[in-house]
Amino acid sequence: DIQMTQSPSSVSASVGDTVTITCRASEPITNWLAWYQQKPGKAPKLLIYPASTLRSGVPLRFSGSGSGRDFTLTISGLQPEDSATYHCQQAQTFPYTFGQGTKLEI
Amino acid sequence: QLQLQESGPGLVKPSETLSLTCTASGGSITSSSYYWGWIRQAPGNGLEWIGGIRYDGSIFNNPSFKSRISLSMDTSKNQFSLRLTSVTAADRGLYYCARHLLVGDIFDLWGQGIVVTVSS
Repeated sequence: DIQMTQSPSSVSASVGDTVTITCRASEPITNWLAWYQQKPGKAPKLLIYPASTLRSGVPLRFSGSGSGRDFTLTISGLQPEDSATYHCQQAQTFPYTFGQGTKLEI
Repeated sequence: QLQLQESGPGLVKPSETLSLTCTASGGSITSSSYYWGWIRQAPGNGLEWIGGIRYDGSIFNNPSFKSRISLSMDTSKNQFSLRLTSVTAADRGLYYCARHLLVGDIFDLWGQGIVVTVSS
């Protein structure tokens, strides 16, 4: 199975800051990477797929980049509602695997 | 707008079978564009994909679960179900049903999740 490693595991930032979360795959996955946002007590929400394409309705302060093994999720101009856990998922190879999540506190 | 809702017992005894059902409302689960799947999250762990089923009965499961998984679908009730046999404490956690978009192999709609505890 492809292992997905996220860093950091948690991060604290202030409103207006820019935060970058990284996700590394144990083998190349071209750009078949998704990012999800999970707010406390809520289901995950798909934000970005593949790698750098925002889903409809996702604020433009979110951006994704990367290919191969290394990917980043950047949130610019943090807002209070961005407080959540962010998960990456590889969609290159079955079985689909997720990172362990990054908790963002605002 | 389609919504998914998990249901089932929140408490299962060790070695017994966990049975969960996901009911879709506001849309149909008979689209050929999707699988309907299950994902879980153990306490302190990341998300883990369990498996998925399509309206035509085609199924694919995470091999890590070996033969413990059984997936089924009742299109007349707009429901799909998961059975996980021989549960242990390692199977406790939050179980989500989700819509698996075949173009991309991503999960674009999730239920709210159901907490499963394994205890005698």
